[in-house]
Amino acid sequence: GESVGLHLPTLSVQEGDNSIINCAYSNSASDYFIWYKQESGKGPQFIIDIRSNMDKRQGQRVTVLLNKTVKHLSLQIAATQPGDSAVYFCAERGYQKVTFGTGTKLQVIP
Amino acid sequence: ETGVTQSPTHLIKTRGQQVTLRCSSQSGHNTVSWYQQALGQGPQFIFQYYREEENGRGNFPPRFSGLQFPNYSSELNVNALELDDSALYLCASSQGAGISGELFFGEGSRLTVL
Repeated sequence: GESVGLHLPTLSVQEGDNSIINCAYSNSASDYFIWYKQESGKGPQFIIDIRSNMDKRQGQRVTVLLNKTVKHLSLQIAATQPGDSAVYFCAERGYQKVTFGTGTKLQVIP
Repeated sequence: ETGVTQSPTHLIKTRGQQVTLRCSSQSGHNTVSWYQQALGQGPQFIFQYYREEENGRGNFPPRFSGLQFPNYSSELNVNALELDDSALYLCASSQGAGISGELFFGEGSRLTVL
C-alpha cells in the first residue's frame, strides 16, 4: 500500500547552517513527490516537487534529491533562516489525492 | 495567501451533533479536495469534488459527505460527530482533477468535539 514516512520527528539547526530532511517511501510505482511546508496555524504550502524521471531538482535555497533505488527523498535547505521553522512533509502526488507522511518539525536556533 | 478561504476557523461541537464546513476555492480553480489533519499527523485525504461531483474518496465513513456548487465553492458535512473527529479540516483547490494540478491549501477549520 501507499506509505510515505519521515526519518526524524524533529530537527534542530543553527541559523545559517544547511538543513537536510529525509523521507522514505514504500511504493516503487510512485512517480511524483512534493515537499510541503506547514507553519503553525496555516495550511501546507508547496515548496518543490520532483518526478521519477529526475534525481535532483533545485529551487530557491531548496534542493530535492530522489533515490529511486532505495526509495528515498531528501529536502535540503541552504542557509537556514528563522522563517524556515515549520513542519515539513514529503508527500506522494496521486491522480486525485496527495498522501502525506507524518512530518518533520524544523527548529531553527538563532 | 493562497486565495482559498475556509470558514469557520474554529468551532466546538458535542458528540452526535452535525457540522458543516465551508470552502471558497481560488479564482479559476474547478476542483476542491478536503483533508483531515489530526494533531501531530499529516493530512489525510477525505474526498475530492470536480465539476460538482465526488471524484474520489479516502478511507472515511459515509457520515462524511460534501457538496460542490456551480461557483466551485464546497462544503464538508460531518454527521453524528465522534470525539476522534476533532482535527484541522483543510480544503485545497486546484485547476483540474488530475495529477498535474497543484494544490493550494486554505488555513483550515479547527473542529473540537467534546
